[in-house]
Amino acid sequence: DVKVTQSSRYLVKRTGEKVFLECVQDMDHENMFWYRQDPGLGLRLIYFSYDVKMKEKGDIPEGYSVSREKKERFSLILESASTNQTSMYLCASSLGTRPSNYGYTFGSGTRLTVV
Amino acid sequence: GENVEQHPSTLSVQEGDSAVIKCTYSDSASNYFPWYKQELGKRPQLIIDIRSNVGEKKDQRIAVTLNKTAKHFSLHITETQPEDSAVYFCAASAWGGSYIPTFGRGTSLIVHP
Repeated sequence: DVKVTQSSRYLVKRTGEKVFLECVQDMDHENMFWYRQDPGLGLRLIYFSYDVKMKEKGDIPEGYSVSREKKERFSLILESASTNQTSMYLCASSLGTRPSNYGYTFGSGTRLTVV
Repeated sequence: GENVEQHPSTLSVQEGDSAVIKCTYSDSASNYFPWYKQELGKRPQLIIDIRSNVGEKKDQRIAVTLNKTAKHFSLHITETQPEDSAVYFCAASAWGGSYIPTFGRGTSLIVHP
């Protein structure tokens, strides 16, 4: 079965901490994405990557960075966590040489609370 | 860029009734339209998709229709069951381009037994 695994289901971090959210896929997908999901706002794209060491900003990249050193792993980094970054974070991957050619496989999500 | 509007935001039906969720999009270059279902506390999962070269696609109790002229596509669920209760998201994207999917804001479907 195709899998996208996010390392943590729940995280509680303090304001100002550096936070790492990890995502691993075992499908050899080229494309990987990070979204945040908030009630009433749907899914908002933070960053995506369509190749190793490649990254592109999404709609809301401020306060975040990403790393893709290996094809299967895409990390989201909150450089200095703030309370407005409390959210559900979803990782996704898809096949294809460009994003959006195929449907996504999502991870289970990480619910991050910043206190 | 692409803009996807999804309606209604909440839909409440009785078990056995049909449910219809509609999405409109703005970019005429969009030609791939997936639908995702997210049950409470779970990950979104792709349930059906349609490409612009077809007008309708069915999979058991669910179907998706596409009207490219009017730029809208709809999800139809027949004979609804309580396990259909979830949030449904539509999306639109352009095949072969560098576009990424634009998602609708979601519809919360509640099926009452």
